[in-house]
Amino acid sequence: NAGVTQTPKFQVLKTGQSMTLQCAQDMNHEYMSWYRQDPGMGLRLIHYSVGAGITDQGEVPNGYNVSRSTTEDFPLRLLSAAPSQTSVYFCASSYSGPAETQYFGPGTRLLVL
Amino acid sequence: AQKITQTQPGMFVQEKEAVTLDCTYDTSDQSYGLFWYKQPSSGEMIFLIYQGSYDEQNATEGRYSLNFQKARKSANLVISASQLGDSAMYFCAMRPGSNDYKLSFGAGTTVTVRA
Repeated sequence: NAGVTQTPKFQVLKTGQSMTLQCAQDMNHEYMSWYRQDPGMGLRLIHYSVGAGITDQGEVPNGYNVSRSTTEDFPLRLLSAAPSQTSVYFCASSYSGPAETQYFGPGTRLLVL
Repeated sequence: AQKITQTQPGMFVQEKEAVTLDCTYDTSDQSYGLFWYKQPSSGEMIFLIYQGSYDEQNATEGRYSLNFQKARKSANLVISASQLGDSAMYFCAMRPGSNDYKLSFGAGTTVTVRA
């Protein structure tokens, strides 16, 4: 199993550009989520999904869109990038259940100029 | 969002000694889960240990143990016999409720192990 994969590993954008961060998992996990990590802070939840076709907002959803058309993929779209979106983005997945551990992808480092 | 507090921004520990990382949380839920993750300088998030709010025993995983004090809303991580490879950032996280999978994270504690 590849686990949770993310592409790209690093991206530079100009303000106003759009892009999609890719996330895929091959563990048949129902639950997937996106977090951002800023310096000196823990991870903050952006969006999450409890299954194909179901998504919901987390703590910091503004400026981001998600969709879940398959169990395996959960892309994160930046609609119009802003410097405040410079961050490291992590995708995570888990089985559904109260004791299930979330497994994280390697992260995408995004710089918005 | 639930509040997770890690009051130690950074800690130094001598190799082979034990270190305790503090974590307190705030929730009104009766059912919740507590997690610790390790983030080395390479950046990945590595799951270490889990404690459920109804678990009567403190969780242990190898050299990691979780000192769970429910009344004090405290879930401290103890790393025994520290190794140089333990140098990393450590995050405490909580998932509230029995059907809620969203994790709230603390700000993290940086641990540096000295030879």
